[in-house]
Amino acid sequence: EPEVTQTPSHQVTQMGQEVILRCVPISNHLYFYWYRQILGQKVEFLVSFYNNEISEKSEIFDDQFSVERPDGSNFTLKIRSTKLEDSAMYFCASSEQTRTFTDTQYFGPGTRLTVL
Amino acid sequence: ILNVEQSPQSLHVQEGDSTNFTCSFPSSNFYALHWYRWETAKSPEALFVMTLNGDEKKKGRISATLNTKEGYSYLYIKGSQPEDSATYLCASPRNTGNQFYFGTGTSLTVIP
Repeated sequence: EPEVTQTPSHQVTQMGQEVILRCVPISNHLYFYWYRQILGQKVEFLVSFYNNEISEKSEIFDDQFSVERPDGSNFTLKIRSTKLEDSAMYFCASSEQTRTFTDTQYFGPGTRLTVL
Repeated sequence: ILNVEQSPQSLHVQEGDSTNFTCSFPSSNFYALHWYRWETAKSPEALFVMTLNGDEKKKGRISATLNTKEGYSYLYIKGSQPEDSATYLCASPRNTGNQFYFGTGTSLTVIP
């Protein structure tokens, strides 16, 4: 069964460093998402991406964050200058259809980012 | 921001017991409710998508109901097994469609 994959599973970085989190969405899906979960808190939406541009973003997704689909398969989240509060589990997701409320978003296993 | 809440936060049950937990959400401007099952170190797995008031969905021993007028959904597990141990998440999109608002999750532990 097709699945969303994410690499690395765990990333440790120093404050102020840039990190790139990578995702391979399900191949025929059109919408891609990033969410994060800070330990003990709810899973929070960061950004959605469709047709090679950002479709929607939350207040969390500020200028430090960017997303890219560099080729036909990968979807990346870049954090330019990491802060301690960026430590979280980052989830990538993808969905097949175009903006309907019943579309299932399929999640990857997450990348745990630890900022020291 | 959409406030989706889940209770209880965690639950321990004996193998064979049936259990249920709740997801509550604002009843206004409701579009859909998604249930996920998330085992540690694995991807959250989609269980159900519910849209209509009174909806009831079933997958094996797991079922869910939806009450959009009062703003809640119940997830039931009949005859819990150790492999049901996981965190169960509910999420609801709003009028923009893409963004899911998640509850805090219910962590279920089934004791053999």
